[in-house]
Amino acid sequence: SQQGEEDPQALSIQEGENATMNCSYKTSINNLQWYRQNSGRGLVHLILIRSNEREKHSGRLRVTLDTSKKSSSLLITASRAADTASYFCATDARRSASKIIFGSGTRLSIRP
Amino acid sequence: GAVVSQHPSWVICKSGTSVKIECRSLDFQATTMFWYRQFPKQSLMLMATSNEGSKATYEQGVEKDKFLINHASLTLSTLTVTSAHPEDSSFYICSARDLGLAGGPYEQYFGPGTRLTVT
Repeated sequence: SQQGEEDPQALSIQEGENATMNCSYKTSINNLQWYRQNSGRGLVHLILIRSNEREKHSGRLRVTLDTSKKSSSLLITASRAADTASYFCATDARRSASKIIFGSGTRLSIRP
Repeated sequence: GAVVSQHPSWVICKSGTSVKIECRSLDFQATTMFWYRQFPKQSLMLMATSNEGSKATYEQGVEKDKFLINHASLTLSTLTVTSAHPEDSSFYICSARDLGLAGGPYEQYFGPGTRLTVT
């Protein structure tokens, strides 16, 4: 089962531009995480935001969380070619016995 | 940071045979490990939750007799794909929760994945 949907499904931008990806989920959560996955590779953990937090920063990454709308966004500023990857949100739902469920993902392509 | 390893990283097997994938937490103990499957260009789908010393809990639609999970110790869980078929070809990823982070948010660490190809 999937907890969340992400949009857009695919995003192509010019290097240097900002990329914004959105995630919506269905049930109450303990926290939400964002991961990156390069093609055919494992997951890289980017950032975790707790349910009582509204915004978090890590380098060029900015994550927001709106629990009233059950949504989160990931902003990557000043994009680089190396940012080309798939990005997934993942939620740790309160009633799911600590399972982490992934969203559908956004495929980000950075054009040089 | 905590490390989770998987072995093998890739495997090719013939249809009808069984293949075992190992997931180890290298520098921490994990009572709970999770197994995910990912088809090309799709997201990770949770298959089952593996608890040390007890039976695994499978997600709806996942055949427990086909995907055997054993979690015999706090650092090792195995997934055995029995009587594999070409449609089982996928990327299998495990993850483990660190017992040490009492009170949460219980960060989960992911293995690098195992690519299974069934011919």
